Amino acid sequence: TQLLEQSPQFLSIQEGENLTVYCNSSSVFSSLQWYRQEPGEGPVLLVTVVTGGEVKKLKRLTFQFGDARKDSSLHITAAQPGDTGLYLCAGLLDSNYQLIWGAGTKLIIKP
Amino acid sequence: ETGVTQTPRHLVMGMTNKKSLKCEQHLGHNAMYWYKQSAKKPLELMFVYSLEERVENNSVPSRFSPECPNSSHLFLHLHTLQPEDSALYLCASSQDLSDTGELFFGEGSRLTVL
Repeated sequence: TQLLEQSPQFLSIQEGENLTVYCNSSSVFSSLQWYRQEPGEGPVLLVTVVTGGEVKKLKRLTFQFGDARKDSSLHITAAQPGDTGLYLCAGLLDSNYQLIWGAGTKLIIKP
Repeated sequence: ETGVTQTPRHLVMGMTNKKSLKCEQHLGHNAMYWYKQSAKKPLELMFVYSLEERVENNSVPSRFSPECPNSSHLFLHLHTLQPEDSALYLCASSQDLSDTGELFFGEGSRLTVL
């Protein structure tokens, strides 16, 4: 069974703080995606990382794919209340079109 | 309309009822998916269709029955469900099965089984 473990499961911080969310696996992925899901909505794709060691930035969000393509992190700088949501990572294995999903990190940013 | 649209947004049903969830995508995608989302659990892939042909059925109980009449529409027919089937059911689409797997989701149908 392939697992993608996300940590922490829950994080509540004050506006302006920095945070990092992790996504770890023993499997090697051909690509990995990060989604954000707001209450009452479906997940929305934020970024896809493909190359080991790749770093992508989306405004205050920085995504990194591990060198071995087994793990990824999402770092948010100066978090805003609008960043509140459920962050999901999902990896794609070379041998299969099916995404392997993490259980998500529920993030609350307090004003 | 654009994107992926799901109806109804909320559904409450008894265990003996029969109901259907509907999904429509306006993106011209060739693949469509049904996922089940339960709290604190990874998304569970239920069914996958590519060009209207079912390509995956991940050991889903027969009380869930999918239907894909064309590449833009996907249904999930529900009958004699159990309380543990209560969850958010998400429909998604992607350009093809063989791409990077980037999914476009609908807003979900929140199902409560009494």
